[in-house]
Order: sequence, then structure tokens, then C-alpha cells
Amino acid sequence: KNEVEQSPQNLTAQEGEFITINCSYSVGISALHWLQQHPGGGIVSLFMLSSGKKKHGRLIATINIQEKHSSLHITASHPRDSAVYICAVQNPKNTGNQFYFGTGTSLTVIP
Amino acid sequence: GAGVSQSPSNKVTEKGKDVELRCDPISGHTALYWYRQRLGQGLEFLIYFQGNSAPDKSGLPSDRFSAERTGESVSTLTIQRTQQEDSAVYLCASSLTEYTEAFFGQGTRLTVV
Repeated sequence: KNEVEQSPQNLTAQEGEFITINCSYSVGISALHWLQQHPGGGIVSLFMLSSGKKKHGRLIATINIQEKHSSLHITASHPRDSAVYICAVQNPKNTGNQFYFGTGTSLTVIP
Repeated sequence: GAGVSQSPSNKVTEKGKDVELRCDPISGHTALYWYRQRLGQGLEFLIYFQGNSAPDKSGLPSDRFSAERTGESVSTLTIQRTQQEDSAVYLCASSLTEYTEAFFGQGTRLTVV
């Protein structure tokens, strides 16, 4: 079993739709990250969360530490949001941080 | 700078050539991590630095890969005699200490032709 599970793996949406991507994890964490990877390969760090909720423009990220679950929401989706979204968690160990990555959610927004 | 900076953003190299990828962490961050993502695969751990030392080199895929860090600052990942299978996005992250929240760079996309 992977330490980080994302769903769905693939998602196609019409422009304007509200989108939710889910991430569940099984390890203790000090922080959770949402990353965005565009087709060209560049990776952008969208959010880093350790509790609660963060909002940036049309993007909202929430985390429930007790349930070990995070969601990334995109409101009023746009074709430029098409990308792979990756959930990553930091698991602190005696030897330092251990990162676990989800396999990503491939989002396609159709005009 | 304000964030983790990686250079170059994109690199195309011929098979057999050596390449160097650079990561400039946030100033004062003692921990630095390298990951890579090959096409269609998830991110995989390569190496971790605490200060200038690398306590965990377990992820380096072969002896063609090496990394160093100097001045508890910039890190260089070197790939010798590149192979097509080395094509990937190489991602760097840094954190203030090895136990605190990390910040990711934008990655370097390496293409070996």
C-alpha cells in the first residue's frame, strides 16, 4: 500500500466546473504539499499545509489532520489549469524528513 | 532569493555527455533534498543533505550520479555519461532544519537525446 493515495488518477472537466482532487495518507506528517506539473515538465509548488485551509486565487487547499486527508479544489476551472497535480507529505524521522509522493492526478479542462 | 531556485530550467544533452544541475536553496536552510520524476512515473528520492554532508545517498541510481553541497548553500547534482533513461524532471527542496517544512524548486527538465 502506498503511503500517499490520490484520487482520481485522471479527471476531465468542462471549463467553469468546480474540481476536487483528494489525497489520503497513512503516515504522520509535519506538512503536506500540493504540486502542479505542467506538460512541459516544470513543477510549481502550490500550497504547503500543516493545518486548516489555504486559498490562492481560484485554488483552495484543505487538510484534516485527524482524518489524514487533504483536498485541492479549483473553482471556475480553465483550460490552463490542465496539469498533473501531485500530493506530497513530509514525514519527520529521526534521520530527518522523509517525503512520500502520490502518483498524481492528471487534470484536463476542456474549453 | 525568496524561494528555492534551480538551474537550468531545461537541459537537452547528448547521450554520453556529463551534465550538472544546480539548486540554490533558501538562505539559511540546512537541509536539501533531490528528487527526480521520469516520464509517466512518480517522484523518487535521490539524495539528502544536512549541511554539507549527505547522510542518505541511498537513492542515487548508479555511480554515474553524484552530488555535492558547499557552504551549506548551493548543491550540484552531476550525471556523468548520461543515458536516455536519465531523462527526467529533477526536483530540489530545502528546509530550515531536517525536521521542518520544506520548500520546492521548480525543477530542471533534463532530456538526453
